[in-house]
Amino acid sequence: GAVVSQHPSWVICKSGTSVKIECRSLDFQATTMFWYRQFPKQSLMLMATSNEGSKATYEQGVEKDKFLINHASLTLSTLTVTSAHPEDSSFYICSASGAQYFGPGTRLLVL
Amino acid sequence: GDSVTQMEGPVTLSEEAFLTINCTYTATGYPSLFWYVQYPGEGLQLLLKATKADDKGSNKGFEATYRKETTSFHLEKGSVQVSDSAVYFCALSPPSSGTYKYIFGTGTRLKVLA
Repeated sequence: GAVVSQHPSWVICKSGTSVKIECRSLDFQATTMFWYRQFPKQSLMLMATSNEGSKATYEQGVEKDKFLINHASLTLSTLTVTSAHPEDSSFYICSASGAQYFGPGTRLLVL
Repeated sequence: GDSVTQMEGPVTLSEEAFLTINCTYTATGYPSLFWYVQYPGEGLQLLLKATKADDKGSNKGFEATYRKETTSFHLEKGSVQVSDSAVYFCALSPPSSGTYKYIFGTGTRLKVLA
């Protein structure tokens, strides 16, 4: 079946640095990918829709300059958390269009 | 807007007990409905789905029926096991072709005791 991968699975960084998270569709092409954020013991909240070859669409309240999304190819979308702060610590999960599958998630801890 | 409401947890059951986790939704048109399971420290896994009214999704002993008249998609299992302990998310995907933009419920934590 369709598989979505994420890299890295874990990342710890210092406050003020930027972190890039990759989301790949392994055996299918995805013109659209979605990025979610999950806080501890809470549900997933959609952050943005990543569109191949065009700008991402951000949900209300999500800072587009803070969370940069690039969908450069039909199999790869990246989320960059810029100038990360401790409040950005979370579990970030992606999913790909055309498939009801999610990536395994990336746990970000900002110190 | 579209939304999903799940029963609050945690739900604690003894092994072999019957499980029901309620899920109701609000949506325009006919969304697809899903149940996802998240084991500790892991990402979401699709458990089952239904794409039209009266469809029954089933997997690993879990079942849920798409009830348009009550806008519900309750998850059931006849006999739970300790290994079923996880967080269960009900979700819907609005009727848009080619995309799966999900709206999730808040999740229900299930703990099964031996």
